[in-house]
Amino acid sequence: DQQVKQNSPSLSVQEGRISILNCDYTNSMFDYFLWYKKYPAEGPTFLISISSIKDKNEDGRFTVFLNKSAKHLSLHIVPSQPGDSAVYFCAARSNTGKLIFGQGTTLQVKP
Amino acid sequence: DAGVIQSPRHEVTEMGQEVTLRCKPISGHDYLFWYRQTMMRGLELLIYFNNNVPIDDSGMPEDRFSAKMPNASFSTLKIQPSEPRDSAVYFCASSLGTTRDTQYFGPGTRLTVL
Repeated sequence: DQQVKQNSPSLSVQEGRISILNCDYTNSMFDYFLWYKKYPAEGPTFLISISSIKDKNEDGRFTVFLNKSAKHLSLHIVPSQPGDSAVYFCAARSNTGKLIFGQGTTLQVKP
Repeated sequence: DAGVIQSPRHEVTEMGQEVTLRCKPISGHDYLFWYRQTMMRGLELLIYFNNNVPIDDSGMPEDRFSAKMPNASFSTLKIQPSEPRDSAVYFCASSLGTTRDTQYFGPGTRLTVL
């Protein structure tokens, strides 16, 4: 049973526009959420995170929003750049510290 | 720092054969994780070690899968016998002092079982 879900396998946006990647989770006990970015033939790299006590965290062009009541988080990239084209994984941290990842969303930013 | 090193990068084998994947974590990291990536399920945690000791292997799919960490700088994931449904990308990751520290991933091993 998938505790972390990314329902959009892919997303295509124009350079300069906003990219919004979504993630849903089922376990209200998750206390920390992360986004990882993965380029082809490379391992995932940490991008940005948010604690469950916050509803927003911003780092440059990247902002993560958390809606605990809806068990939903999203990653906003503004403005999107061609170099942002990658697979984005949402992850939630369980109370044991384990990371539970979603299926990933492939973002394509067109020049 | 060289980062997490995995070998081989690609492995093609026939059903029934034994497969061994290797990982060298970042020096000084106490935690080592093995993940499997598939299209359907994304990244799944298979097993993780703390100071070379397996802590949680609940994600290991079957008895055909086994993992060892004989020392702080080396770990293996073995599949015996391999099956076509084991085809996936296998990642190794390490983190510093706790499971709550950032995990650093290796480049992965793409396994194809024919």
